[in-house]
Amino acid sequence: AQSVAQPEDQVNVAEGNPLTVKCTYSVSGNPYLFWYVQYPNRGLQFLLKYITGDNLVKGSYGFEAEFNKSQTSFHLKKPSALVSDSALYFCAVRDIDYNKLIFGAGTRLAVHP
Amino acid sequence: GAGVSQSPRYKVAKRGQDVALRCDPISGHVSLFWYQQALGQGPEFLTYFQNEAQLDKSGLPSDRFFAERPEGSVSTLKIQRTQQEDSAVYLCASSLEGLQTREAFFGQGTRLTVV
Repeated sequence: AQSVAQPEDQVNVAEGNPLTVKCTYSVSGNPYLFWYVQYPNRGLQFLLKYITGDNLVKGSYGFEAEFNKSQTSFHLKKPSALVSDSALYFCAVRDIDYNKLIFGAGTRLAVHP
Repeated sequence: GAGVSQSPRYKVAKRGQDVALRCDPISGHVSLFWYQQALGQGPEFLTYFQNEAQLDKSGLPSDRFFAERPEGSVSTLKIQRTQQEDSAVYLCASSLEGLQTREAFFGQGTRLTVV
């Protein structure tokens, strides 16, 4: 069965520093991977996706993610964190057999001034 | 509209009451999904429509949950005889095509509290 794991419940980073939010996946076949962000009392907002092509995917708000097939990882990164980046981040994988997303448990990112 | 719209935003139901949650997807989007998000958890898949056809309802937790999309646009998630464990945020998402090529766009959700 397809799954994703987000090993960190929370990530703390100082404003201006680079940030990484980790995600590993388990799929049969080629993975379709997504990152979403959730602000308080808001729905999930799409950040970026990997379907095929370059391993480094660029997305919204300066975020990018690196697909690593050998490590089965899809970590979210940003070179310089902003306080406004503080939110809940979800990694997701498309179920190979069915047209649905399987989400990780989420990682709370806290960016401190 | 510009995005996925859900109503109501908040719903308080007495245990045993029936509720109906509405989702207006982005115009022209073929795929529509319902997810349930418990407090502190990631969204869990409930059901999927392609136009008016409900192709996957494997995530519906019990026969008290029912979803429809009769004309291939607006969808309603109905929960009968609500229980306290039904308290969660219910998210609706739509996608132009299938997820093999397109991302899903989510609404703000309906927060259901069963008392």
